[in-house]
Amino acid sequence: IAGITQAPTSQILAAGRRMTLRCTQDMRHNAMYWYRQDLGLGLRLIHYSNTAGTTGKGEVPDGYSVSRANTDDFPLTLASAVPSQTSVYFCASSEGDRTGGYTFGSGTRLTVV
Amino acid sequence: GQSLEQPSEVTAVEGAIVQINCTYQTSGFYGLSWYQQHDGGAPTFLSYNALDGLEETGRFSSFLSRSDSYGYLLLQELQMKDSASYFCAVRVRPSFRGSQGNLIFGKGTKLSVKP
Repeated sequence: IAGITQAPTSQILAAGRRMTLRCTQDMRHNAMYWYRQDLGLGLRLIHYSNTAGTTGKGEVPDGYSVSRANTDDFPLTLASAVPSQTSVYFCASSEGDRTGGYTFGSGTRLTVV
Repeated sequence: GQSLEQPSEVTAVEGAIVQINCTYQTSGFYGLSWYQQHDGGAPTFLSYNALDGLEETGRFSSFLSRSDSYGYLLLQELQMKDSASYFCAVRVRPSFRGSQGNLIFGKGTKLSVKP
């Protein structure tokens, strides 16, 4: 593993189903983030975690939950998927030193039907 | 609230210079970042400006004017591989103690480099 690993790469999900997107980093970064990217809307922050054991809500948190049990893992859960959650999801991490340099994973393309 | 404005599309020819502007309105501003994203890829970090002025990294430069809430990314000697989307992002002051703040992204500028 080098950097951030996201799984799955893509997924088609039936509406109403529960889904967890996985994110693992090996850089020992304190801060981790989940963004969704939709055409014409750019990247929008869903949830974040500044350090293991803490999480916070971003711009579009409704319908999503996260946990941060350790430094490396930051899973994103959709409790009951809806079609509007069709998007590309990016996990990112940073050292949290205010330089603005985030490292992004390769993304998960999720389609809710 | 936070808002960022950048052009949706820019077209330029190989070898030319292009400037992508970004204006922002935000409370608790820390700095302005730029990211590049190729189609189907992940965003990659290009630069960060916390203070006024120009930062140069190879063919790319980034500028910030805090008083004008304005910045730009300057790409010189354009190459075909520079065709990508470019996002400005503001780092905003945290809403609670201990946080380093979060990045809020603009909607991106799609740069097309023509031969």
